[in-house]
Amino acid sequence: GQQLNQSPQSMFIQEGEDVSMNCTSSSIFNTWLWYKQDPGEGPVLLIALYKAGELTSNGRLTAQFGITRKDSFLNISASIPSDVGIYFCAGQLVNTGNQFYFGTGTSLTVIP
Amino acid sequence: SQTIHQWPATLVQPVGSPLSLECTVEGTSNPNLYWYRQAAGRGLQLLFYSVGIGQISSEVPQNLSASRPQDRQFILSSKKLLLSDSGFYLCAWTSGQGGEQYFGPGTRLTVT
Repeated sequence: GQQLNQSPQSMFIQEGEDVSMNCTSSSIFNTWLWYKQDPGEGPVLLIALYKAGELTSNGRLTAQFGITRKDSFLNISASIPSDVGIYFCAGQLVNTGNQFYFGTGTSLTVIP
Repeated sequence: SQTIHQWPATLVQPVGSPLSLECTVEGTSNPNLYWYRQAAGRGLQLLFYSVGIGQISSEVPQNLSASRPQDRQFILSSKKLLLSDSGFYLCAWTSGQGGEQYFGPGTRLTVT
């Protein structure tokens, strides 16, 4: 099946630092989604992107839909301890509207 | 507003026993519904999705099955559980037009 390459796999940062992660695909996507998952809970949708070049913010989080439609980026500014968790990207391919494909996740640890 | 429920939250079952996990969505109609399995807190694997009552698409051949007896109810079943069925099972929904996908709280299944 379709694979999304998400990087980095894990990050250890100091509180207050900015964070950047990305997802890439070999295929064109028409939707990109970013999620955060806490241990033992379901993923929570953070940001949804629908157009190439779109830049959307949600508080300290900013995500972008890549111009090529094959990638997306998530940035977290001024990290805080509650940002700890696993972040997933997900996307929908063009012409396969019912299925979502997920990245393998980025585990974020914030050191106070 | 829409909400998604999963039941039970945790389950411990012996090998060879049957399984029934339930997912219900409130506040929307004609949703697309999905079952995923997540191992070790990473990597969501799509198991089944449904675009309507009685319509089930299977992504991974295995000893699990899914049913959609009502518009907002999605059930994951097995006649005989295997050790490899252990994992975190997540239900999700999108509107019929696609776009944003929302997850339930998950069911932690341990097969002993």
